[in-house]
Amino acid sequence: NAGVTQTPKFQVLKTGQSMTLQCAQDMNHEYMSWYRQDPGMGLRLIHYSVGAGITDQGEVPNGYNVSRSTTEDFPLRLLSAAPSQTSVYFCASSPDRFSGNTIYFGEGSWLTVV
Amino acid sequence: AQSVTQLDSQVPVFEEAPVELRCNYSSSVSVYLFWYVQYPNQGLQLLLKYLSGSTLVKGINGFEAEFNKSQTSFHLRKPSVHISDTAEYFCAVKDSNYQLIWGAGTKLIIKP
Repeated sequence: NAGVTQTPKFQVLKTGQSMTLQCAQDMNHEYMSWYRQDPGMGLRLIHYSVGAGITDQGEVPNGYNVSRSTTEDFPLRLLSAAPSQTSVYFCASSPDRFSGNTIYFGEGSWLTVV
Repeated sequence: AQSVTQLDSQVPVFEEAPVELRCNYSSSVSVYLFWYVQYPNQGLQLLLKYLSGSTLVKGINGFEAEFNKSQTSFHLRKPSVHISDTAEYFCAVKDSNYQLIWGAGTKLIIKP
């Protein structure tokens, strides 16, 4: 049972480039989400999904796209990278959005945009 | 808007000393309360959570937290810290709209 797997772990992008952060979970969780973590700001929700085919915006969605074609996968796409998107990104999953169930996090992806 | 305040950005403490990491939230109707820990260069993992029942919650690694509804607080405590407790600790609250709100984190620094 691998839990939540994120790739890549480290990435350097040039301004204007696009890329996709991959996220997969093997726990059959319906709820998946992407956060960014910046110093002194905690976690901020980018996008989330309550099930395959359903996605919605979080607190800071601008510049990012997501899709959820399967229960397992929830990729995050940066359309045209900007230095302000330099951050650590975490994918997370839980059985559902509503209960007090534990949220499981990936190991993180460190992204630098130059 | 709902908010979660972790009152200290860093807490230095000597090894084997007790520690308290403070967390206050603004919601008058909290649903669930969580503490997560993030070790260096890793993802977050659950330390403990309060869903209902006893206001004193025990978690992993000897940590415990107390839910205080009147003071809207959920402070995290450990009676004796070890060097391995060096990490960043995040408080989170799920409110009545099931929105999960995160604090900014507290770095626990253990001094030998």
